Amino acid sequence: KNQVEQSPQSLIILEGKNCTLQCNYTVSPFSNLRWYKQDTGRGPVSLTIMTFSENTKSNGRYTATLDADTKQSSLHITASQLSDSASYICVVSAPQAGTALIFGKGTTLSVSS
Amino acid sequence: GAVVSQHPSWVICKSGTSVKIECRSLDFQATTMFWYRQFPKQSLMLMATSNEGSKATYEQGVEKDKFLINHASLTLSTLTVTSAHPEDSSFYICSAETGYYNEQFFGPGTRLTVL
Repeated sequence: KNQVEQSPQSLIILEGKNCTLQCNYTVSPFSNLRWYKQDTGRGPVSLTIMTFSENTKSNGRYTATLDADTKQSSLHITASQLSDSASYICVVSAPQAGTALIFGKGTTLSVSS
Repeated sequence: GAVVSQHPSWVICKSGTSVKIECRSLDFQATTMFWYRQFPKQSLMLMATSNEGSKATYEQGVEKDKFLINHASLTLSTLTVTSAHPEDSSFYICSAETGYYNEQFFGPGTRLTVL
C-alpha cells in the first residue's frame, strides 16, 4: 500500500533553534517528493520538490534531503522564526500508482519566543 | 511564481442551499485542476480531478451529483456543493497543475460552514 508517514506529529521549539522533520514513504516507483508548508486556514505552499535522482534541495532556511534507497526524506529548518509555525506536509507524486499525489498527515511545528 | 486564487475565501450558508466555489490560475493555464477537502487537523483529501473540456474524475466515495465540477476554461474550475448539509462544512482547497514536474500550486482555500 502506498503510504507517506511523517514524524514527529507535532514539535515545539524555541525561536532561533534548528529542527528536522522526517518523512518515510512506501510509494514505488515515484516521480518526485515535495515538501509543503501550510499555515492555519491557508492552502499549502511549495517549499521544495525533488526527483528520485536528487539528494538535497534548499529554499532559503529550508533544506530537504532525499534517500531514495531507504525511502526517507527530511526537512531541516535553520534558525527558526515565529513565522515558521505551521504544518509541514510531505507529499509523494506517483502517477503510476493511480493517484496523482499521496499526502502525509503533516508535522505541526510551533516556534515560541 | 504560479498563483492560484479561490473565491470566496469563506462562506456561510443554510442547509439545503447550493454553494459555488471558484478556482482560478492567475498567471498560467492549467489543463488539470484538483479539488481537495480538509477537516481540522487532517491532511488534504483529494475529491476530484478536473480536466478542461471534459468530465471530472471523482475519487471513490465522493458523490459526483453532490459536488458538481465544471472546468470551462484553462484558467477556471468551479466546485458547486449542492443541497449542502452541516456535514459538508469543511475547508475546500483547489490546485492547478503546471510545469516540468507537473507541480500543483494550491489556492488559499475556502472555508464552508453549513448551518
